[in-house]
Amino acid sequence: NAGVMQNPRHLVRRRGQEARLRCSPMKGHSHVYWYRQLPEEGLKFMVYLQKENIIDESGMPKERFSAEFPKEGPSILRIQQVVRGDSAAYFCASSSRLNTGELFFGEGSRLTVL
Amino acid sequence: DAKTTQPTSMDCAEGRAANLPCNHSTISGNEYVYWYRQIHSQGPQYIIHGLKNNETNEMASLIITEDRKSSTLILPHATLRDTAVYYCIVRVDSNYQLIWGAGTKLIIKP
Repeated sequence: NAGVMQNPRHLVRRRGQEARLRCSPMKGHSHVYWYRQLPEEGLKFMVYLQKENIIDESGMPKERFSAEFPKEGPSILRIQQVVRGDSAAYFCASSSRLNTGELFFGEGSRLTVL
Repeated sequence: DAKTTQPTSMDCAEGRAANLPCNHSTISGNEYVYWYRQIHSQGPQYIIHGLKNNETNEMASLIITEDRKSSTLILPHATLRDTAVYYCIVRVDSNYQLIWGAGTKLIIKP
């Protein structure tokens, strides 16, 4: 069974460009979570999605950030007009059921904004 | 904010048991204790969780005090590959957010 797949693993963008991060959950998992991690810090929750629905986006900045999990295809975290402060590791996790703290994480996408 | 307190770092000799403490003095009756670890530059990995009884799986044991205000994660025979940051998290089962602190950096020494 393939684990949670994230790509790209590394992404470099200049200020003002767009970043798109993709996440394919584990097979059979319909719950996807995005977390952000700054260096030497713990992860910060951003958004929780089920297929085609955003359930909780309370951790996601209101502007420039959006997330989707379409019926077909991977979940996408989109950051428009990136700024240097967006530089971080973005982790996707998936689970097979609601209300579980047992999440399966991907290897992360590391965004560097020049 | 994280509801747990952990030491910033710990060392352990290879082959010995690593005991990682966690304080969660404000834990509520319906909150579980979860442990994850993150090896450098990798995604976090689930280890174990419990409510009030001690738990054991193939990776580790979790000992929760009777008053549930603290717990200890035990890696019975630490190897160099256990070097990682270990996170203790308390979570209400109805809440899907995990709130992460800074964790404990565990270094296993040969």
